[in-house]
Amino acid sequence: SQKIEQNSEALNIQEGKTATLTCNYTNYSPAYLQWYRQDPGRGPVFLLLIRENEKEKRKERLKVTFDTTLKQSLFHITASQPADSATYLCAYEGSGNTGKLIFGQGTTLQVKP
Amino acid sequence: DTAVSQTPKYLVTQMGNDKSIKCEQNLGHDTMYWYKQDSKKFLKIMFSYNNKELIINETVPNRFSPKSPDKAHLNLHINSLELGDSAVYFCASSQGVWGFDEQYFGPGTRLTVT
Repeated sequence: SQKIEQNSEALNIQEGKTATLTCNYTNYSPAYLQWYRQDPGRGPVFLLLIRENEKEKRKERLKVTFDTTLKQSLFHITASQPADSATYLCAYEGSGNTGKLIFGQGTTLQVKP
Repeated sequence: DTAVSQTPKYLVTQMGNDKSIKCEQNLGHDTMYWYKQDSKKFLKIMFSYNNKELIINETVPNRFSPKSPDKAHLNLHINSLELGDSAVYFCASSQGVWGFDEQYFGPGTRLTVT
């Protein structure tokens, strides 16, 4: 079955450092990967989308890469701030072109001042 | 302005009851979704509608029935509630039904079945 995995362990880093989160997928080759941020008690918020023919996508301090050979996407936050502390979810569209997103379980990032 | 809104935010009820969760979006999107997020934080699609037509119907008990009176509203009705239905339910919307359409989520409804 189509599966997407993120490191379930929380990632703790010091303010100002670069946070790197990993998303691995199996049994499928998605054309797009999406990244969302979820704060406690709130719904996910879309951050970035990367296409399979894009190696890298940037938005302000965020950078996403997409390696179709490794079946992996990396999500980087540079110059991290305590306000970046949240759970980050990756997702891809399952087969069938129905807009059905398959989400990973998310990685919780804690940025310490 | 609230883009995707859900009511109620919290819902505590007893086993066997029937309850509904309402969702509305003011983004003019054509597609709406219901997701369930369990205690382990996995977010799983349940249903989607595109212009009031059912597109995705995942393997959920038939006690769950979505209803879309118009493309701005998608309600979720749950019959004979069970303990295992306790979770956070999110409504979402997107412009289309493609994998490149970003989805906008509501604030969630925390359902607790006792």
